Amino acid sequence: GENVEQHPSTLSVQEGDSAVIKCTYSDSASNYFPWYKQELGKRPQLIIDIRSNVGEKKDQRIAVTLNKTAKHFSLHITETQPEDSAVYFCAASRGNTPLVFGKGTRLSVIA
Amino acid sequence: NAGVMQNPRHLVRRRGQEARLRCSPMKGHSHVYWYRQLPEEGLKFMVYLQKENIIDESGMPKERFSAEFPKEGPSILRIQQVVRGDSAAYFCASSGTGTTDTQYFGPGTRLTVL
Repeated sequence: GENVEQHPSTLSVQEGDSAVIKCTYSDSASNYFPWYKQELGKRPQLIIDIRSNVGEKKDQRIAVTLNKTAKHFSLHITETQPEDSAVYFCAASRGNTPLVFGKGTRLSVIA
Repeated sequence: NAGVMQNPRHLVRRRGQEARLRCSPMKGHSHVYWYRQLPEEGLKFMVYLQKENIIDESGMPKERFSAEFPKEGPSILRIQQVVRGDSAAYFCASSGTGTTDTQYFGPGTRLTVL
């Protein structure tokens, strides 16, 4: 079955700097890669997703890149703000199938 | 347009009791997924249902756990004879039909077993 590895597990950045979180997956049939942000005690919230027919997608300060050959995808957050502090999860699936999540990255943005 | 609803938000049970967790998917969604999150850990898939059908229950323990998604009403995750190790946050997510595969999560039910 699918296995998703996520790095780093914790990340501290200065406000205004960029943050990059990387994930690798094992199932070459996976074609959907969402990223979720989870604040303490809250639900996971979708922040961006990418499908296997594109290599990059951007939404304001957030971007995701996908390399299908290498089976890895990354989340990039530019101009980080204190409110970006949360746990971020990557996931992979084949579409309308269960998501397999990475173990999460705890991002701290230091003002 | 209401999002995914879950209740109760918090549930306290003593060992050996039963826990029933409910999930109402987003309007128009017919796919429901249950995930479990232990403290300081990621989300683990448990079961995937469509109306009146269990599609994939490979992540659900074989004993004490069951799930349903009836024709009418919410999806229910049932845990019988709860043990302390069942304490966790249980999230459900829903997605639409066709090629829409984005999963939206409910607020979760935090189960505490005393």
